[in-house]
Amino acid sequence: SQTIHQWPATLVQPVGSPLSLECTVEGTSNPNLYWYRQAAGRGLQLLFYSVGIGQISSEVPQNLSASRPQDRQFILSSKKLLLSDSGFYLCAWSAGTGTREQYFGPGTRLTVT
Amino acid sequence: SQKIEQNSEALNIQEGKTATLTCNYTNYSPAYLQWYRQDPGRGPVFLLLIRENEKEKRKERLKVTFDTTLKQSLFHITASQPADSATYLCALDRGLFSGGYNKLIFGAGTRLAVHP
Repeated sequence: SQTIHQWPATLVQPVGSPLSLECTVEGTSNPNLYWYRQAAGRGLQLLFYSVGIGQISSEVPQNLSASRPQDRQFILSSKKLLLSDSGFYLCAWSAGTGTREQYFGPGTRLTVT
Repeated sequence: SQKIEQNSEALNIQEGKTATLTCNYTNYSPAYLQWYRQDPGRGPVFLLLIRENEKEKRKERLKVTFDTTLKQSLFHITASQPADSATYLCALDRGLFSGGYNKLIFGAGTRLAVHP
């Protein structure tokens, strides 16, 4: 069966510090991968998606970047965090074809102080 | 711009009753609509998907309807239980695959509390 991992679970970082969040998927090949951010009381905002290694698309301009160095690894990064980067970050995957639902990881709670 | 609305207030019901959650959208024509459950501090979990040409979809105690004329989906939980307490998210899916990618637009969710 497929599983998705995210780490760390929680993170407190000062403004201006770098960020690296990692997501890995097991039990599937060539998944579509997604990074979302969820603010309190708000819907999930799609940040990045990837349909293959090295292929990254950004949905909104922001202080963050994403990379996909391996088929089942997705990384969210920032060189200098802003207060507005605080939130709940979720990684998700979906099968490349045939199915439409997305499967989410446990999330990372990021607080920028 | 596209807009998706779910009841912002929490829905409180008694155990055993039917919970009905609403998802309304504007300026959009989704080919599919998905519902997810999210527990506090956890990632959403997929529940049901309904296609635009389907009026109703059922899975155990769950039922989803999709009215493209009203631009509305209703999500029902029959014989509700305290364990059903969670936030339920609806998501619009246009159904376009661009290189195998489908973009979902999520609502903010409705929190359901089922009381014993």
